[in-house]
Amino acid sequence: DQQVKQNSPSLSVQEGRISILNCDYTNSMFDYFLWYKKYPAEGPTFLISISSIKDKNEDGRFTVFLNKSAKHLSLHIVPSQPGDSAVYFCAALYNQGGKLIFGQGTELSVKP
Amino acid sequence: EPEVTQTPSHQVTQMGQEVILRCVPISNHLYFYWYRQILGQKVEFLVSFYNNEISEKSEIFDDQFSVERPDGSNFTLKIRSTKLEDSAMYFCASTFRRIVGTDTQYFGPGTRLTVL
Repeated sequence: DQQVKQNSPSLSVQEGRISILNCDYTNSMFDYFLWYKKYPAEGPTFLISISSIKDKNEDGRFTVFLNKSAKHLSLHIVPSQPGDSAVYFCAALYNQGGKLIFGQGTELSVKP
Repeated sequence: EPEVTQTPSHQVTQMGQEVILRCVPISNHLYFYWYRQILGQKVEFLVSFYNNEISEKSEIFDDQFSVERPDGSNFTLKIRSTKLEDSAMYFCASTFRRIVGTDTQYFGPGTRLTVL
């Protein structure tokens, strides 16, 4: 099941710079997209979400952009901080089922 | 801040044994989920549960799996006869309601199941 894909397994950025995490999806029926952050030995923590009818949602240092024609979304973190180092999962939500479909995750490393 | 809790944090069992993984969802939430993550793979949906019955289940959730909300606070996942390939991190999640855009799923810390 490759409905949600994160093609970059890892990303390394310098503290203070922008981190851009990418996610592609194949199913145009998804209604909502979410980003979760996960530290080792912990469960995924909700970060930010976006409805399929929007193209941008911003929350503090985190902004998610949605390009429906390209079936692509991205998470921007500005400025990046060492505490942002974690695995970031993109997930899509089916309205009917309520289940989350996850991407493979991207491990972000923010270096001081 | 309310949170989803899971016990045990780590469960080791022999192949063929039954295991029960326990979760306490956030108290006013109505929808409950189990997901799992095999090492190195993505988080996969197993089952959703609402109003004391299964709403949806994945292909993974076969007859060896069952879920229950025995007492109004706990939400359990039972695997009747564990296989080696059941070794994974199991996450419980809950949400207030399943209307897109009104709520999100909150995850517990997970139970690492190791089947020997």
